[in-house]
Amino acid sequence: EIVLTQSPATLSLSPGERATLSCRASQSVSSYLAWYQQKPGQAPRLLIYDASNRATGIPARFSGSGSGTDFTLTISSLEPEDFAVYYCQQRSNWPPVTFGPGTKVDIK
Amino acid sequence: EVQLVESGGGLVKPGGSLRLSCAASGFTFSSYSMNWVRQAPGKGLEWVSSISSSSSYIYYADSVKGRFTISRDNAKNSLYLQMNSLRAEDTAVYYCARDRGTMIWSYYFDYWGQGTLVTVSS
Repeated sequence: EIVLTQSPATLSLSPGERATLSCRASQSVSSYLAWYQQKPGQAPRLLIYDASNRATGIPARFSGSGSGTDFTLTISSLEPEDFAVYYCQQRSNWPPVTFGPGTKVDIK
Repeated sequence: EVQLVESGGGLVKPGGSLRLSCAASGFTFSSYSMNWVRQAPGKGLEWVSSISSSSSYIYYADSVKGRFTISRDNAKNSLYLQMNSLRAEDTAVYYCARDRGTMIWSYYFDYWGQGTLVTVSS
């Protein structure tokens, strides 16, 4: 089973700042990685799939990059609604699909 | 508008059973693989099970294999999860989620329900 680790666990930033979130896989997942956003009391929302493709309706301030074992989610300028938990997910070695433990982006 | 609405959660004793349902609308249900993903209180996401559009292919996480059964009824636009021999560690919000691909697996989940809470406790 592929294990995903995310860093940092918590990222404290102010609105307007740039957020850089990291996801590392225990073995190569090629580009088969997605990012989800989850707000308290809500279901996750797909942001990015195949490492760099934005899902339908996702604003351009969200971008993904990386391949192999190292991936990055970047939020170019944080909006108030972006403060949430972000999860990465791999589909390279499926089943099982696995998720990372999450990075919480909170308001500084 | 795509909608997924789960139901059937509740409090059950260890060793008990529960059947979750997910009612789908706003898309051609029979064209998509479907999934269950759970989230224990205050914890991360865990994939539970997946079923192909025609029910030909079914997969389970090792943690639920032999205890849970996923199924679907395309005529009723519904997804199900039969959970038997429940354990305390099965306590979680259970989400129904649509696979992003049409007629093919993408293994990414583009629409999610609001979730239904299952609590296993004596």
